[in-house]
Amino acid sequence: RKEVEQDPGPFNVPEGATVAFNCTYSNSASQSFFWYRQDCRKEPKLLMSVYSSGNEDGRFTAQLNRASQYISLLIRDSKLSDSATYLCVVNFNTNAGKSTFGDGTTLTVKP
Amino acid sequence: NAGVTQTPKFRILKIGQSMTLQCAQDMNHNYMYWYRQDPGMGLKLIYYSVGAGITDKGEVPNGYNVSRSTTEDFPLRLELAAPSQTSVYFCASSYGGGLEETQYFGPGTRLLVL
Repeated sequence: RKEVEQDPGPFNVPEGATVAFNCTYSNSASQSFFWYRQDCRKEPKLLMSVYSSGNEDGRFTAQLNRASQYISLLIRDSKLSDSATYLCVVNFNTNAGKSTFGDGTTLTVKP
Repeated sequence: NAGVTQTPKFRILKIGQSMTLQCAQDMNHNYMYWYRQDPGMGLKLIYYSVGAGITDKGEVPNGYNVSRSTTEDFPLRLELAAPSQTSVYFCASSYGGGLEETQYFGPGTRLLVL
């Protein structure tokens, strides 16, 4: 079983739709969580951190469920520019180099 | 600030050749990382460094070497290239290695080994 698992999609949604992605992690000692966004043939960039209390940034909401060991990303009012691959990242150690990346979920928003 | 820069952008190697992928950052970050990303997959950590003169292996170090003589530069060396090393290579940096640190990525180097 992979340490971090994501539904690869692709998710194809119309503009204005609400879409949600989940990411499960296997290590219960995991301590910090992030969503990165990666555009086609580009480098990953931090979208948002995920906190236990949940956090929101505009149309994006991230939540953490430690009991079930998953994090989620909700995108409301999808825009064409939201089309990208969303990478779930989990850190389970205080040492550098311990970030584990999921394989990503691909979202395509269509007009 | 240029952020994290990588050269070359694209390279074709023949089996058995060697090359060095260059990575530099101008953010005075202590931590630097090399990842590879195969098609449709997430990033796998090759090597990382917590400061000049200090490096350590990641998840997939075989076939690669690194050095960190300065804070700014973190080159990745491929010796005896193999088709399995065909991938996109990303260099990243972060100020510290804490759990909440953001990693900043370079634009990547696409490597094809034939």
